[in-house]
Amino acid sequence: AQSVTQPDIHITVSEGASLELRCNYSYGATPYLFWYVQSPGQGLQLLLKYFSGDTLVQGIKGFEAEFKRSQSSFNLRKPSVHWSDAAEYFCAVPRTDSWGKLQFGAGTQVVVTP
Amino acid sequence: GAGVSQSPSNKVTEKGKDVELRCDPISGHTALYWYRQRLGQGLEFLIYFQGNSAPDKSGLPSDRFSAERTGESVSTLTIQRTQQEDSAVYLCASSNGLAGRADTQYFGPGTRLTVL
Repeated sequence: AQSVTQPDIHITVSEGASLELRCNYSYGATPYLFWYVQSPGQGLQLLLKYFSGDTLVQGIKGFEAEFKRSQSSFNLRKPSVHWSDAAEYFCAVPRTDSWGKLQFGAGTQVVVTP
Repeated sequence: GAGVSQSPSNKVTEKGKDVELRCDPISGHTALYWYRQRLGQGLEFLIYFQGNSAPDKSGLPSDRFSAERTGESVSTLTIQRTQQEDSAVYLCASSNGLAGRADTQYFGPGTRLTVL
């Protein structure tokens, strides 16, 4: 069965510093991988997704993620965070038992300090 | 165009009462999903509708939970005889159903349910 692990529950980063959020997956085949962001009081918004091709994926809001099959990872990065990046970030893979359902990681809460 | 909308945004109810949560998906999206997000936890899949196919109800936690969808439009999630453990944010998402497992799901803002 598929699974997604986000090892960091909470990360604090200074505004302007770089950010990397970890995501490790377990999947029986070539995975599709998603990163979503949830700002306070908001629904989830897709940042980026990977399903084939170039392993470095560019997303919205200056985020990128790199798929590394050898490490079963899909880490999210941003070179310089803004205060508005304070949010919860979720990594997800499609479930293999049913078309279309997503299996989410537990999320990483990002706090941005001045 | 408009995104996914949900109503109400907040719902406070007493234990034992029934509640109905509504989701309006993006027009033209054939797939609709309900998830539950308990405080401090990730998203938990509840139910999935795809076109005219039978819904995938495998995530519903008990028979107190049910959902309906009218054609490819509005969906209602009903929780009967609410319990305190039902308190959560209920998120609805829709997708165009064209890309299978690569489909992007678009989420609504959620309904925060509090059971007293």
